Amino acid sequence: VQLVESGGGLVQPGGSLRLSCAASGFTFSNYWMAWVRQAPGKGLEWVASVKGDGSEKYYVDSVKGRFTGSRDNAKNSLYLQMNSLRAEDTAMYFCARGEVAAYDSWGQGAQVTVSS
Amino acid sequence: DIVMTQSPLSLPVTPGEPASISCRSSQSLLHSSGNNFLSWYLQKPGQSPQLLIYFASSRASGVPDRFSGSGSGTDFTLKISRVETEDVGVYYCMQALQGPLTFGGGTKVEIK
Repeated sequence: VQLVESGGGLVQPGGSLRLSCAASGFTFSNYWMAWVRQAPGKGLEWVASVKGDGSEKYYVDSVKGRFTGSRDNAKNSLYLQMNSLRAEDTAMYFCARGEVAAYDSWGQGAQVTVSS
Repeated sequence: DIVMTQSPLSLPVTPGEPASISCRSSQSLLHSSGNNFLSWYLQKPGQSPQLLIYFASSRASGVPDRFSGSGSGTDFTLKISRVETEDVGVYYCMQALQGPLTFGGGTKVEIK
């Protein structure tokens, strides 16, 4: 199992960014996938989850209406479209595979910095 | 939201000695399936989190048997029977019973 995030970077407040997570080594469409973030020096925060077929999506309240999770099972890829970014969205964003009510595989993370 | 509370915040340990971390949830994590939807993770310095325990007491693949999880309902414990230097890092519990999924604040384990 391998998960590789990309798309992070520096963006101004109010800007947008799209994260990608390339998955390999397993049947991607069979699994819920999630985004979990970690602000500098802080703990882990679940951000969003997307069902295997993309039919269900859930978000933490603080990102609802601004972030959109999606996936392309043909490309074995998970995405997080982040709009109206705020300073408090600055964090390392991990993608993770859901299994047995837990996250059993994690990517190395993509750094998102929101600053003017 | 379900609030997850871990203790202690910091845990200095001596190699070869046991260690224990507590995690309490504001609501029962017992699912209708009979499983507690509580998992434990270790984030080693500079690394991504890794799954240690799921369903409160089941060890994930490849996790040494010195790690064990116990508890049910609202009180859970992660135990390390004999701490090794490679076990340093921050340990997190997480509940997956109800959205939003929530993590404990973390327990930093360091060598004395």
